[in-house]
Amino acid sequence: GQSLEQPSEVTAVEGAIVQINCTYQTSGFYGLSWYQQHDGGAPTFLSYNALDGLEETGRFSSFLSRSDSYGYLLLQELQMKDSASYFCAGQGGANNLFFGTGTRLTVIP
Amino acid sequence: NAGVTQTPKFRVLKTGQSMTLLCAQDMNHEYMYWYRQDPGMGLRLIHYSVGEGTTAKGEVPDGYNVSRLKKQNFLLGLESAAPSQTSVYFCASSSLAGGGEQYFGPGTRLTVT
Repeated sequence: GQSLEQPSEVTAVEGAIVQINCTYQTSGFYGLSWYQQHDGGAPTFLSYNALDGLEETGRFSSFLSRSDSYGYLLLQELQMKDSASYFCAGQGGANNLFFGTGTRLTVIP
Repeated sequence: NAGVTQTPKFRVLKTGQSMTLLCAQDMNHEYMYWYRQDPGMGLRLIHYSVGEGTTAKGEVPDGYNVSRLKKQNFLLGLESAAPSQTSVYFCASSSLAGGGEQYFGPGTRLTVT
């Protein structure tokens, strides 16, 4: 199975940069995904890292280091609408996902 | 193109009652999943399917059954509901080359009294 740890809460100022870390212990790990979930909504896919390094998608970037069992999500130019919960998820076989407990990001003016 | 849809959106059951949650996807995805999400916790995989006619257990399968008779549909059944099954249930689907990307339905909020 897989176990993923991430901070429970993060607060950041509008326009700033925030990094959400994720460490994992796993067997059968194929890659690390990140999802965003607004209150009352469904998770939506943000990014995926199968290989070590940085993946960039607009204001969002994600990083993976397999040797350190560590990844992070970087959000730049924060906007109020970025206030949400963010989940890292380890990918196993059959594209199964094992989710962390989530980080609640609050963006303040 | 509706993506992933779930019915019902809300349901209240009494302990011991049964029900079936329906998930449908129109993206021709091979893989489908059922998760539950409890307050303060991430999503936990209940059951999944890698294709029509196949199902497999996830992390928390006890008390649930599933069926995938058609590729586009994935049903989750509760035979005898318990208060511990009060949760939000999400269905998701992904392609064979999913690469960690799953598409989620809007969720079903279930309360068992």
